[in-house]
Amino acid sequence: SQQGEEDPQALSIQEGENATMNCSYKTSINNLQWYRQNSGRGLVHLILIRSNEREKHSGRLRVTLDTSKKSSSLLITASRAADTASYFCATDATGTASKLTFGTGTRLQVTL
Amino acid sequence: GAVVSQHPSWVICKSGTSVKIECRSLDFQATTMFWYRQFPKQSLMLMATSNEGSKATYEQGVEKDKFLINHASLTLSTLTVTSAHPEDSSFYICSAKHPYRGNTEAFFGQGTRLTVV
Repeated sequence: SQQGEEDPQALSIQEGENATMNCSYKTSINNLQWYRQNSGRGLVHLILIRSNEREKHSGRLRVTLDTSKKSSSLLITASRAADTASYFCATDATGTASKLTFGTGTRLQVTL
Repeated sequence: GAVVSQHPSWVICKSGTSVKIECRSLDFQATTMFWYRQFPKQSLMLMATSNEGSKATYEQGVEKDKFLINHASLTLSTLTVTSAHPEDSSFYICSAKHPYRGNTEAFFGQGTRLTVV
């Protein structure tokens, strides 16, 4: 399996704090995406960063990509209780006909 | 826009029966859809790539006779779990890529929780 690794596996923080999740992958990629999944539900696309980009922002989200280290990070600033969910990175590897390979996920719990 | 609808959202069936799960792209045409399986508190594992008008491409280790995929139209792909057994109980999720959004961002259905008793 070429599944990526994410850490931490679980993260518990208080509302207002920042949450950082890391993702490592194994192959060359076209892009890397982050998704959010609420318990027992489908996935929601959060942000996409292309292989030639190093940082991207979207609202309270900040994503970085280091292709030399084959790693990415997702930062959620000023977290809210509603951010409680599982977060997955997914890579679109070169030569794979646009198939996404998902990381192991980080379960984020934001408490009041 | 770019909505993918999956049906049913949950199903309970008896061992030995077959279950069909539908995945529809509601406002766009998807030549390719993907089927994933997810065990509790684990990641999504790609099962197969569904191609409109042709045979699905299965990932290594996925039994194509067990998980039948049909992509008969540009807006509908179905996954049929044949002769289901308790070990097939899982969360199944489909996705489709929007052809006019750079074919990169994937849109996911709500998922189907299958319980085989």
